[in-house]
Amino acid sequence: NAGVTQTPKFRILKIGQSMTLQCAQDMNHNYMYWYRQDPGMGLKLIYYSVGAGITDKGEVPNGYNVSRSTTEDFPLRLELAAPSQTSVYFCASRTGTSGDYEQYFGPGTRLTVT
Amino acid sequence: AQRVTQPEKLLSVFKGAPVELKCNYSYSGSPELFWYVQYSRQRLQLLLRHISRESIKGFTADLNKGETSFHLKKPFAQEEDSAMYYCALGYSSASKIIFGSGTRLSIRP
Repeated sequence: NAGVTQTPKFRILKIGQSMTLQCAQDMNHNYMYWYRQDPGMGLKLIYYSVGAGITDKGEVPNGYNVSRSTTEDFPLRLELAAPSQTSVYFCASRTGTSGDYEQYFGPGTRLTVT
Repeated sequence: AQRVTQPEKLLSVFKGAPVELKCNYSYSGSPELFWYVQYSRQRLQLLLRHISRESIKGFTADLNKGETSFHLKKPFAQEEDSAMYYCALGYSSASKIIFGSGTRLSIRP
């Protein structure tokens, strides 16, 4: 199993551009998450999904959109990139089975908006 | 609002010394609490969870609901423990999981 994969690894965007960060998992996990990690700030939850077709906002959803059309994929969309969105983005997944809360993380995408 | 606080950005101790990484949470319901670790150039991974009450790599953590704390402890630090440690809180049936700001643990030889 590849686990959780994220593409791209790095990206530089200009202000106002848009892009989609890809996340995929091959573990048949129901729950998926997007976090951003700013220096010294830990991880902040952007959006999460408890299954295909179901998404909900986290702590910092403004400026982002998500969709979950399949169990495997959970893309994160930035419509109008701003310098404040410069961060490292992590995707994670877990089974959703009661009592099994371990999250499996992807390697991250480093995004710079200039 | 739900919150996880890790008051120390950096903790530096000598090899063989005891380690305690602090974590406090804010949540009125029954929390699910975790410690995650990120070693250099590796992915974030689960270290332990309060529900299992186990010791992993010599680390333990006890949930204290009265003090709303979940501190991570190890009696004798080893150099390979140097890493970034994050405390995390699960709520809303653990569908939402939020993290603290992290503590960098540095073990001096």
